[in-house]
Amino acid sequence: AQSVTQLDSQVPVFEEAPVELRCNYSSSVSVYLFWYVQYPNQGLQLLLKYLSGSTLVESINGFEAEFNKSQTSFHLRKPSVHISDTAEYFCAVSGGGNMLTFGGGTRLMVKP
Amino acid sequence: DVKVTQSSRYLVKRTGEKVFLECVQDMDHENMFWYRQDPGLGLRLIYFSYDVKMKEKGDIPEGYSVSREKKERFSLILESASTNQTSMYLCASSLVAGEREQYFGPGTRLTVT
Repeated sequence: AQSVTQLDSQVPVFEEAPVELRCNYSSSVSVYLFWYVQYPNQGLQLLLKYLSGSTLVESINGFEAEFNKSQTSFHLRKPSVHISDTAEYFCAVSGGGNMLTFGGGTRLMVKP
Repeated sequence: DVKVTQSSRYLVKRTGEKVFLECVQDMDHENMFWYRQDPGLGLRLIYFSYDVKMKEKGDIPEGYSVSREKKERFSLILESASTNQTSMYLCASSLVAGEREQYFGPGTRLTVT
């Protein structure tokens, strides 16, 4: 069985500042890792994913996440945030089966 | 463009009513899922279906049932709605093999009064 912990429920940050959203997981098997983003009143959209290979993965809008197997982490980072990045972010893990296990979510609030 | 659609964005029902939430996907995915989303609790899996007429209980199936008569359609049924079922309901689909990425619908915000 897998579990996912997102350590911060809310992260306030000023526009153009860097941000890190933390995600730790536990699993007894090799995993696939995902970050989803949910904008207000919308469903979840895939932001980026780690399946294998390079441990650093990037999204098209400037986010990146690094898979750290020894620390069982998959933290999400962006060097400079925009107001439009305000959303809720969910980390998820798959142990190779059909299910995803989601973390509790982190609300990113970007202030002008 | 891949698409998962849900029948309603907002729904208001009375306690004791039977409620149907419909989800349709156009990607020929085998797997379909129903989640509920509540503040601070993230997404919790209600039911999962891996094929037509096949279903498995998720983490919180009590008070819910599902139906999958066609591959593209997955229905969530609240037999007798209660106020503690007021929530956001999200449908998702995925392939049975490969990367396991789930594609989500826009959600249905259900209020039970």
